[in-house]
Amino acid sequence: NAGVTQTPKFQVLKTGQSMTLQCAQDMNHEYMSWYRQDPGMGLRLIHYSVGAGITDQGEVPNGYNVSRSTTEDFPLRLLSAAPSQTSVYFCASSYSTGKGNEQFFGPGTRLTVL
Amino acid sequence: GQQVMQIPQYQHVQEGEDFTTYCNSSTTLSNIQWYKQRPGGHPVFLIQLVKSGEVKKQKRLTFQFGEAKKNSSLHITATQTTDVGTYFCAGDNYGQNFVFGPGTRLSVLP
Repeated sequence: NAGVTQTPKFQVLKTGQSMTLQCAQDMNHEYMSWYRQDPGMGLRLIHYSVGAGITDQGEVPNGYNVSRSTTEDFPLRLLSAAPSQTSVYFCASSYSTGKGNEQFFGPGTRLTVL
Repeated sequence: GQQVMQIPQYQHVQEGEDFTTYCNSSTTLSNIQWYKQRPGGHPVFLIQLVKSGEVKKQKRLTFQFGEAKKNSSLHITATQTTDVGTYFCAGDNYGQNFVFGPGTRLSVLP
């Protein structure tokens, strides 16, 4: 099992550009989520999904879109990048809704917006 | 909304010394999880606590959940250089998701 994979590992964007961060898991997990990590602020939830076709907003959803067409994939779209979106992005998955289950994190994508 | 705080923000210890980080929630939690993130790495699940007053041990690590289920602690006995990293708690207040604390960064001097 590859676990949770994320691409790309690093990305530099200019303000206003759009891009998609990819996330995939091969553990047949129902629950997937996206976090951003900024210095001193821990992990903040952007969006999450409890199964294919179902997504919901987390703590900091503005400027990001998600979709979940398959159990395996959960891409995160930045519609119009802003410098405030410079961060490290982690995708995570767990067997069930996340409650009572450990989350498995991907290796992260380091994004810089100029 | 729910807030999860951790203290200290940073801790520097000499190898062999003990280390403790504390996690406090603004609301009562149904359960709490702890994660460790090595420098440049991703968070890795350590443990989950569910019951009031619960204590769990993993080798040199001892985890405790407060009686009121609003706080938790992680204690490492006789730290080693392999313990270096940031330790996060994540609390669930009966909602859909966990809220992560800001983390405690531990450095261990050999």
